[in-house]
Amino acid sequence: NADVMQNPRHLVRRRGQEARLRCSPMKGHSHVYWYRQLPEEGLKFMVYLQKENIIDESGMPKERFSAEFPKEGPSILRIQQVVRGDSAAYFCASSPLGTGGSGANVLTFGAGSRLTVL
Amino acid sequence: SQQGEEDPQALSIQEGENATMNCSYKTSINNLQWYRQNSGRGLVHLILIRSNEREKHSGRLRVTLDTSKKSSSLLITASRAADTASYFCASYSGNTPLVFGKGTRLSVIA
Repeated sequence: NADVMQNPRHLVRRRGQEARLRCSPMKGHSHVYWYRQLPEEGLKFMVYLQKENIIDESGMPKERFSAEFPKEGPSILRIQQVVRGDSAAYFCASSPLGTGGSGANVLTFGAGSRLTVL
Repeated sequence: SQQGEEDPQALSIQEGENATMNCSYKTSINNLQWYRQNSGRGLVHLILIRSNEREKHSGRLRVTLDTSKKSSSLLITASRAADTASYFCASYSGNTPLVFGKGTRLSVIA
């Protein structure tokens, strides 16, 4: 499958539980980006990763949120002890090139994971 | 803070009309991109314009860039009901990841 694959598409959690969102980038893409979208809002950057490295996590809350992109397997965005304010759509995107330098980096997005915290 | 801000926030037109959406940004950019998002779906890249370009076409899409005003516009000609979606501008500045505006919600009425 050539697309960016995200799962689960929908996730319901109660306050205090953990949420794990997965993203498999397009074949040949080694750069992964996570964005969060609230209803009627644009996308807010969270974190940018390459294989086994976090390149930029300036948009990710310091507590409860973490991300990884291991050598094997998908990238994972993990939210611990979820609160109602974490309810949002989380989008993953991938690219063959990183930011900076190329100046022409186009992102390919997945369909998103919609997290609802009860 | 958001780099790009789209205007208008919402736009409703009749099928066959042209739709124009504007985007303003704050800092100098490497390039500016437009993406489209259908309801409940991910974003799809439409067109990229580099900072040294002033206008670019792709099918029914026309994008302009005015770096002196830090603004861009997206024109969709002869709109169709299938063009109904949210449209976002996004830009790179230096080594920052792609930064998105809040989007324009376009409704094309058949």
